[in-house]
Amino acid sequence: EVQLQESGPGLVKPSQSLSLTCSVTGYSITSNYWGWIRKFPGNKMEWMGYISYSGSTSYNPSLKSRISITRDTSKNQFFLQLNSVTTEDTATYYCARRRTGSGWYFDFWGPGTMVTVSS
Amino acid sequence: DIQMTQSPASLSASLGETVSIECLASEGISNDLAWYQQKSGKSPQLLIYAASRLQDGVPSRFSGSGSGTRYSLKISGMQPEDEADYFCQQSYKYPWTFGGGTKLELK
Repeated sequence: EVQLQESGPGLVKPSQSLSLTCSVTGYSITSNYWGWIRKFPGNKMEWMGYISYSGSTSYNPSLKSRISITRDTSKNQFFLQLNSVTTEDTATYYCARRRTGSGWYFDFWGPGTMVTVSS
Repeated sequence: DIQMTQSPASLSASLGETVSIECLASEGISNDLAWYQQKSGKSPQLLIYAASRLQDGVPSRFSGSGSGTRYSLKISGMQPEDEADYFCQQSYKYPWTFGGGTKLELK
């Protein structure tokens, strides 16, 4: 079965970079599309971006200047880097797989990792 | 960005009751809509995609309908395990956007 697991620091200082890893088992990241989604306190959710099976990326325009998604196919992992964070980036971060087929729906998600931005 | 307005924000239902949750899109989304369930402390689970298609393994008491800008998720016969947060997501226009969520509790 496909499983995703986020990992990374739970606390980041303002103005620093947030770096998270999504480790995938049961499915190769060289197939399909892989994304990052975050859920803010108060439950608002935001699509952040994705990396494709070929390594191409697409980002939410609201984050475009601060976000980077990369991957390591040898480890079947992909990564999120968000620069110049502020307290407004405090959220639970999820990685997810796009459901195979038409449409952009996400059928496997990691359990999420909470990141707090605070000095 | 397309705004997804979800209602109600919370509701409670009795065992066996039929429940309905709505999402209103700020523009037509051509049935490009998903519904997810998220239980406390767990990751979201895809229930419905393309507005009305049931994801594999999801109980048939869940159903989705709608068109244009208005979509709904129905649970036909509330069960204890249905207590969760539910949210919608449009995939019609990038960036994909989500509804604000509905907290469903068992009365």
